[in-house]
Amino acid sequence: QKEVEQNSGPLSVPEGAIASLNCTYSDRGSQSFFWYRQYSGKSPELIMSIYSNGDKEDGRFTAQLNKASQYVSLLIRDSQPSDSATYLCAVFFMDMGRRALTFGSGTRLQVQP
Amino acid sequence: ETGVTQTPRHLVMGMTNKKSLKCEQHLGHNAMYWYKQSAKKPLELMFVYNFKEQTENNSVPSRFSPECPNSSHLFLHLHTLQPEDSALYLCASSQDGAGAVNEQFFGPGTRLTVL
Repeated sequence: QKEVEQNSGPLSVPEGAIASLNCTYSDRGSQSFFWYRQYSGKSPELIMSIYSNGDKEDGRFTAQLNKASQYVSLLIRDSQPSDSATYLCAVFFMDMGRRALTFGSGTRLQVQP
Repeated sequence: ETGVTQTPRHLVMGMTNKKSLKCEQHLGHNAMYWYKQSAKKPLELMFVYNFKEQTENNSVPSRFSPECPNSSHLFLHLHTLQPEDSALYLCASSQDGAGAVNEQFFGPGTRLTVL
């Protein structure tokens, strides 16, 4: 059973601070990693993808991947109240011919004005 | 039309009804997916179609029946559902379903309530 683990939160940060969201996964062979943002009552929205070790930056978002530790994180700089949402980590597994994106249960982020 | 669309957005049905959910993607993708999202549970993959062929059926009960007539359209036919099937049903698409570069884009979802 391939697993993706996230702390459910809520993670509360003040406006302007850095929010750090973490995710661990069970399969060393995983190659693709994604972060989705989901506002309450809405569908997931892709915000970052990362495929190799290291950091990937896009605006206020930075994804960090460490395959040796099976760990992927998302940093949100200068957090805004509009960033308050649930952040889903997703990992693409290939296992015995089956290919599937497996999601964590999400971390709820609250940015306090 | 942009992205991935789903209809209806909300559906209430009795356990003896038959209904269908529709998904359409306007991204030129070749893979489409059905997911179920229940309260306080991770997204659950139900079905995967790659180039119109079903490549995944994640042990979904037969009361859910998918149909993919072409790479742009995906249906989920529902019959004799149970109250525990009430959930948000999400459709997604990606360039293809086989590669590791597999960015999936979601539609707005159908909120299903089974009475």
